[in-house]
Amino acid sequence: NAGVTQTPKFQVLKTGQSMTLQCAQDMNHNSMYWYRQDPGMGLRLIYYSASEGTTDKGEVPNGYNVSRLNKREFSLRLESAAPSQTSVYFCASSERERPLHAPQYFGPGTRLTVL
Amino acid sequence: AQRVTQPEKLLSVFKGAPVELKCNYSYSGSPELFWYVQYSRQRLQLLLRHISRESIKGFTADLNKGETSFHLKKPFAQEEDSAMYYCALSLMNRDDKIIFGKGTRLHILP
Repeated sequence: NAGVTQTPKFQVLKTGQSMTLQCAQDMNHNSMYWYRQDPGMGLRLIYYSASEGTTDKGEVPNGYNVSRLNKREFSLRLESAAPSQTSVYFCASSERERPLHAPQYFGPGTRLTVL
Repeated sequence: AQRVTQPEKLLSVFKGAPVELKCNYSYSGSPELFWYVQYSRQRLQLLLRHISRESIKGFTADLNKGETSFHLKKPFAQEEDSAMYYCALSLMNRDDKIIFGKGTRLHILP
């Protein structure tokens, strides 16, 4: 099993350009997440999807949109990139182990630079 | 409000010395806590969870509800322990969200 995969690994954009980050998981997990990781800020949740067909905002959703295409795939779109969106983006997935919470499994990350 | 605090951004420890990475949380419910580790240029991976009460790579963490802490400890540091460590708190609701601390970079000195 590949676990959680992300494409691309690296991307450079100019201000105002748009792009979509792709994420897929092969663990049959219901929940998927997008985070951004910035120095000194840790991991901040952008959007999440508790199940196929549902999405909700996290801590820092402005400037982003998401699509839960199916159970496997969860994409993150930047409609008009800004330098403040320069970051490393991680996708993750999890499955609740009732009544406990299952840990999240992370993808390798996408390093995005907006000039 | 739910919050995870890791007071140290950077912790430098000599090889063979004990390690303690601090984590305090704020949550009104029954907490479920994790430690994640990120080695250089690798993805985040789960190190341990309090519910398992296990030792992974020599690390242990005990949940102290009175002090609302979940400190990560290892008696003898190794050079391969150098990494970024994140403490995380599970919000036991339908959304399965986790709140991460800002992380502590552990640097093991030779």
